[in-house]
Amino acid sequence: SYVLTQPPSVSVAPGKTARIPCGGNNIGSKSVHWYQQKPGQAPVLVMYFDRDRPSGIPERFSGSNSGNTATLTISGVEAGDEADYYCQMWDSNSDHVIFGGGTTLTVL
Amino acid sequence: EVQLVESGGGLAQPGRSLRLSCTASGFTFGDSAMSWFRQAPGKGLEWVGFIRSRLYGETTEYAASVKGRFTVSRDDSKSIAYLQMNSLKTEDTAVYYCTRDITGTYYFDYWGQGTLVTVSS
Repeated sequence: SYVLTQPPSVSVAPGKTARIPCGGNNIGSKSVHWYQQKPGQAPVLVMYFDRDRPSGIPERFSGSNSGNTATLTISGVEAGDEADYYCQMWDSNSDHVIFGGGTTLTVL
Repeated sequence: EVQLVESGGGLAQPGRSLRLSCTASGFTFGDSAMSWFRQAPGKGLEWVGFIRSRLYGETTEYAASVKGRFTVSRDDSKSIAYLQMNSLKTEDTAVYYCTRDITGTYYFDYWGQGTLVTVSS
């Protein structure tokens, strides 16, 4: 079955840019969605169809997807962005929803 | 305002059954697929299964880890989705979330607050 690979952790200083990768075989041909989850809370959709932001999500959040890597980019990182981030897609071959293992973003 | 409220979680012994409910409001329930996810303590998100809308035949899909043991169903007249969990295992211990999506998009824009299921003897 299809596998999405994320680094366990990413660290960034406040005000800098965080890039969270999500790797998969030819992932650029698929639609990727991203979720933010803070401790003790339900996940929140922050990006869908690679680069579309739901209403209420700051413009600091952006997405891209090409080749074997999809990326969630957070510009001007704030302390409140500290969270776990998950990429997700639909695998039409298996009819399964697939998640990456999640990346913990730490704001230094 | 879209709301999803899970209920029915609690403690169950291995091998027993539990049924979770997800009560929805604020959107046209019958037009949406309803999905269940879970998150074991300290672990990542895991998809459990979903049921498509009536327009798409109310067909279901399941993760391999629960197929044959768990069943997703829906009652559009009550705007409730269910997750029937049979033959529970200790590894089913997790917070269970319900979500909705506009069928065919396979992204999940609203999530419930989750309900904890603990499987232990």
